[in-house]
Amino acid sequence: DTEVTQTPKHLVMGMTNKKSLKCEQHMGHRAMYWYKQKAKKPPELMFVYSYEKLSINESVPSRFSPECPNSSLLNLHLHALQPEDSALYLCASSQGGLAGANVLTFGAGSRLTVL
Amino acid sequence: GQSLEQPSEVTAVEGAIVQINCTYQTSGFYGLSWYQQHDGGAPTFLSYNGLDGLEETGRFSSFLSRSDSYGYLLLQELQMKDSASYFCVQGYQKVTFGIGTKLQVIP
Repeated sequence: DTEVTQTPKHLVMGMTNKKSLKCEQHMGHRAMYWYKQKAKKPPELMFVYSYEKLSINESVPSRFSPECPNSSLLNLHLHALQPEDSALYLCASSQGGLAGANVLTFGAGSRLTVL
Repeated sequence: GQSLEQPSEVTAVEGAIVQINCTYQTSGFYGLSWYQQHDGGAPTFLSYNGLDGLEETGRFSSFLSRSDSYGYLLLQELQMKDSASYFCVQGYQKVTFGIGTKLQVIP
């Protein structure tokens, strides 16, 4: 299995809703990432988990809450989002070592619209 | 810090060769990667250079010069389907994307 699977593909939510984005990989990768991408912009790093521990939080607002239940799963919990949070949310994974440090496998993304 | 510079747009003719340059500044360097992203799609890994020199994968090649903090992606025998954005990427854990180069292949 060489894929990263993200669900849902599309999500529409109100500003008072609570929802979650899910990501799964079975490649034995030990690092997992959340990126946010707005139209015509590069992916912007949000969080990195390494060996199931949060290693990087790029000063992301607390309305985004990551969770890594095990080495194969990564969640992003969403609460009280703003319309400007509408974007494509990308999950990625990598082997986690220094060799090929930035060789990432991306999921297809979850397109989020906040009303 | 980590900063990558690449051209924002490039136009090339089908069948031709195009080179997309990337310069980087970083206090720690863990190699340079290249990704392709079509409109509406997710980034796809193309190539990685951990050491100086050329890496070749089919029609795509990537080059790195650590002494010059410079790399490039070379696309040969361009096809219409190569129209996409191309990102140079660096970092370990804090994996950072350049602004992306939008390549338009014209007939």
